[in-house]
Amino acid sequence: GAVVSQHPSWVICKSGTSVKIECRSLDFQATTMFWYRQFPKQSLMLMATSNEGSKATYEQGVEKDKFLINHASLTLSTLTVTSAHPEDSSFYICSAIWGTDTQYFGPGTRLTVL
Amino acid sequence: DQQVKQNSPSLSVQEGRISILNCDYTNSMFDYFLWYKKYPAEGPTFLISISSIKDKNEDGRFTVFLNKSAKHLSLHIVPSQPGDSAVYFCAASGYGKLTFGTGTRLTIIP
Repeated sequence: GAVVSQHPSWVICKSGTSVKIECRSLDFQATTMFWYRQFPKQSLMLMATSNEGSKATYEQGVEKDKFLINHASLTLSTLTVTSAHPEDSSFYICSAIWGTDTQYFGPGTRLTVL
Repeated sequence: DQQVKQNSPSLSVQEGRISILNCDYTNSMFDYFLWYKKYPAEGPTFLISISSIKDKNEDGRFTVFLNKSAKHLSLHIVPSQPGDSAVYFCAASGYGKLTFGTGTRLTIIP
């Protein structure tokens, strides 16, 4: 099956700093990747669609200047949380499509902003 | 506006019995449906999917049923095993995006 990795798996940072999260498709090429956010005991919320070689498409209410997405290659997308604040603390998960419409997810990154 | 709903936040089932998880949706444009299993602090794991042109798909112990007229789908797990204890999310695909339900926590009682 398709394998998607994320790095780091968890990160703690100070308020005001920026954090970069990497998402890689390990055994397939993904022209499209997705970034989700999950708060405790809630559903996964789509933040943005990352397209290789073009700008990401952000969902309504997601600040594109705060959550910078770069899809530099067919196997790598990065999410940078800029000037992080405690309310940005969350579980961030990426996914990539393999095959038809099935999204395969990374293991997630837990971000804690102090 | 919750377009995909899982009305049961939790479900407990005896080991060996059938687990039935339900999901309702409101958007008739969804054309592909998926079920994911998720453990805490991990990404969702794909379980099974179904296209809107079908009404049933089976894979081992997992069967997904789709009732388009009722905009309802269900996941059946039989027989249920302790390792099935997790949170289950249904998801609906439309315009290339996934919309997730709020999840159902399934607990299998030994």
